[in-house]
Amino acid sequence: SQQGEEDPQALSIQEGENATMNCSYKTSINNLQWYRQNSGRGLVHLILIRSNEREKHSGRLRVTLDTSKKSSSLLITASRAADTASYFCATDAYGNTGKLIFGQGTTLQVKP
Amino acid sequence: ETGVTQSPTHLIKTRGQQVTLRCSSQSGHNTVSWYQQALGQGPQFIFQYYREEENGRGNFPPRFSGLQFPNYSSELNVNALELDDSALYLCASSFEGNYGYTFGSGTRLTVV
Repeated sequence: SQQGEEDPQALSIQEGENATMNCSYKTSINNLQWYRQNSGRGLVHLILIRSNEREKHSGRLRVTLDTSKKSSSLLITASRAADTASYFCATDAYGNTGKLIFGQGTTLQVKP
Repeated sequence: ETGVTQSPTHLIKTRGQQVTLRCSSQSGHNTVSWYQQALGQGPQFIFQYYREEENGRGNFPPRFSGLQFPNYSSELNVNALELDDSALYLCASSFEGNYGYTFGSGTRLTVV
């Protein structure tokens, strides 16, 4: 079963704009991770935020986590056409079992 | 440092047959997880192996089984294939599961 719900399901923006994707989840977590998937191929790990962290940055990515609301957001700044992909949040309840629970993803299209 | 490699990339099988999918973990990683991703959905956790022992299982029937070898490579076996088993099968490895997961490019299984 899917734990997370991602919003929006699809997003279309112009190159240079910012993209924000949201993720909600249901149970307590150890950490939350964001992944990118191009054209139904393998997932690429983008960033991991632990339950005791509130914000994390990596390059053009900014992730926030609100454990009281059981929600997270991923912000991609100054988007590029190469950012076109599906983005998934995944929650890890235990930290060491490999059991990531994924949302259904947000499909991002960045138009040149 | 090599990433996670999966073989084969594509496979077509007939309903009722058996299939074995293979995964080579990233160097230094001792944990491997398998996921099933149906079209348009997020990946769903099948099971994880840690140091050759099953260390967690998702909601999949016993006809889904696995192995992890001393070199940390892994196999996913599916018996009595059903049409609904058609999906992208993803393998992911990590070190102790605490730093995010490295995914392979997946095996696209079609059951006809």
